Amino acid sequence: AQTVTQSQPEMSVQEAETVTLSCTYDTSENNYYLFWYKQPPSRQMILVIRQEAYKQQNATENRFSVNFQKAAKSFSLKISDSQLGDTAMYFCAPTQGGSEKLVFGKGTKLTVNP
Amino acid sequence: DVKVTQSSRYLVKRTGEKVFLECVQDMDHENMFWYRQDPGLGLRLIYFSYDVKMKEKGDIPEGYSVSREKKERFSLILESASTNQTSMYLCASSSPGLAENNEQFFGPGTRLTVL
Repeated sequence: AQTVTQSQPEMSVQEAETVTLSCTYDTSENNYYLFWYKQPPSRQMILVIRQEAYKQQNATENRFSVNFQKAAKSFSLKISDSQLGDTAMYFCAPTQGGSEKLVFGKGTKLTVNP
Repeated sequence: DVKVTQSSRYLVKRTGEKVFLECVQDMDHENMFWYRQDPGLGLRLIYFSYDVKMKEKGDIPEGYSVSREKKERFSLILESASTNQTSMYLCASSSPGLAENNEQFFGPGTRLTVL
């Protein structure tokens, strides 16, 4: 079974600072998609950022960017200028075996402190 | 505004009861998913449906079944609820094909407690 490893169960960061969440995965596919999802406390899961594996350029969405290393099967999320509203569980999720199913990591609980 | 809704936010049932969790999406998506979320385990796929009346087992289908009679509605059924099915259940939907449509849209979740 495909596995996704988020090695940091919990992290904390001061407001306005930068934090990086790590994710590694295994896959035998050459083309696939990777996602970071955010789940704020008691709120709905929402997409933060997506990356297509065949694109070499790292995806960026405002304060959120990824460092995608295809050969290393690594997909880290960088949050710049952290805000209190970034406090949430973050899940890394690549597509599974060329399908539209996602495989989720166990999550990283991020706390942004004032 | 796109939306995935789930019938209950909180549900308490007794061991042995038959439990129905309902999910409705208004985005005309072909794919629908049921996950359970447990602390320290992330999200695990229970069942996946890629079309009306079509379903596929996920990673943990034991003790669950699903029904998809209409495109917008996907139901998760616990035939005989057990305490180890106490969990948060999340429904999601997506549209196949284009890269940007691989995004899954999630409902708010149903926290089920089985006593």
